[in-house]
Amino acid sequence: DQQVKQNSPSLSVQEGRISILNCDYTNSMFDYFLWYKKYPAEGPTFLISISSIKDKNEDGRFTVFLNKSAKHLSLHIVPSQPGDSAVYFCAATYSNSGYALNFGKGTSLLVTP
Amino acid sequence: SAVISQKPSRDICQRGTSLTIQCQVDSQVTMMFWYRQQPGQSLTLIATANQGSEATYESGFVIDKFPISRPNLTFSTLTVSNMSPEDSSIYLCSVRALSEQYFGPGTRLTVT
Repeated sequence: DQQVKQNSPSLSVQEGRISILNCDYTNSMFDYFLWYKKYPAEGPTFLISISSIKDKNEDGRFTVFLNKSAKHLSLHIVPSQPGDSAVYFCAATYSNSGYALNFGKGTSLLVTP
Repeated sequence: SAVISQKPSRDICQRGTSLTIQCQVDSQVTMMFWYRQQPGQSLTLIATANQGSEATYESGFVIDKFPISRPNLTFSTLTVSNMSPEDSSIYLCSVRALSEQYFGPGTRLTVT
């Protein structure tokens, strides 16, 4: 049973505009959320994370928003750049899980010039 | 962050054979993980391998099929035993360092 869902398999955005990637989860025990970026033939690269005690975390062009009541998080990339084109995975875990990550299926982002 | 390397990067194997995947980390880490990504699917945790203890397997994965070694704080191996075409996946090593999890480049396995 998929506990982390990324319902958009792909997204296309123009360079300079905002990219918004969405993620939903079903397990209310999750208290830590992460976003990873993956290029072909490479492993996932950690991007940004957020704890459930926060509703926003920013790191440069990347901001993650968490809405606990809706069990929803989103990753905003502003401004989007062609080098951001990759597959983005949302992941979730909880404190007593031994840090096992539950992943969504990913969203393929294409940033066009 | 931690720099992780995996060997081999890819392999094509025959049904019924076994393959051992190596994972090397550039620093000492307590927690190492093995994940699998089947075609079109998300990453799924196979097992957690902490140095000095037996690996802990997730539901649906067993030691006889995926034996793991963790001889020291920088190295681990995962063996995929008695392979079938359903084992065709990308296998990824991951470590927990500085409160985050980092991934190796993966081993792409094709079973014919």
